[in-house]
Amino acid sequence: KQEVTQIPAALSVPEGENLVLNCSFTDSAIYNLQWFRQDPGKGLTSLLLIQSSQREQTSGRLNASLDKSSGRSTLYIAASQPGDSATYLCAVGSPYNTDKLIFGTGTRLQVFP
Amino acid sequence: KAGVTQTPRYLIKTRGQQVTLSCSPISGHRSVSWYQQTPGQGLQFLFEYFSETQRNKGNFPGRFSGRQFSNSRSEMNVSTLELGDSALYLCASSPTDSLNTEAFFGQGTRLTVV
Repeated sequence: KQEVTQIPAALSVPEGENLVLNCSFTDSAIYNLQWFRQDPGKGLTSLLLIQSSQREQTSGRLNASLDKSSGRSTLYIAASQPGDSATYLCAVGSPYNTDKLIFGTGTRLQVFP
Repeated sequence: KAGVTQTPRYLIKTRGQQVTLSCSPISGHRSVSWYQQTPGQGLQFLFEYFSETQRNKGNFPGRFSGRQFSNSRSEMNVSTLELGDSALYLCASSPTDSLNTEAFFGQGTRLTVV
């Protein structure tokens, strides 16, 4: 059964730092991996989608990489800002699970001025 | 292009009642999935509908059900509410039922059972 883990669970950094958030999955047979952002009490905003055949995707200050063989993805946030404060979730689409998406537990990020 | 719309945003219900939540997907999207988010369990998949047919179902009791209409709008129903059903219910839409397409989420419906 596919399991998704995110480390660290929480992170607090000063503005301007470059950050790396980690996502691990136990079964390398995935269709894709998607990173989301969630503000408190709100829905999920899609940040980046990486297909299983891709190694990375970039959008503005965000870069996500995927290493299927090691079961890992990282989300790199450059020059962090207070507006980046949110919970970041990764999710995988897996062919051997009935779940549409399997989510990690999230990393709660706080960027202070 | 309008995003995924969920109504209502907030609901308070009493134990034993039933509730219906609604989700309108992005125009042209035919797949709608539902998730439950709680502090203890995180985000868990409930079910997916595509072309009015349930494609997959997560590990939830039969009290949780759903349906999809011909215009792709979906509803989920929870009967005989329990305190543990209090959660943020999120719906996501995708263009197809393929597992390699991007999912777009709505703002959610916050259900409180008292």
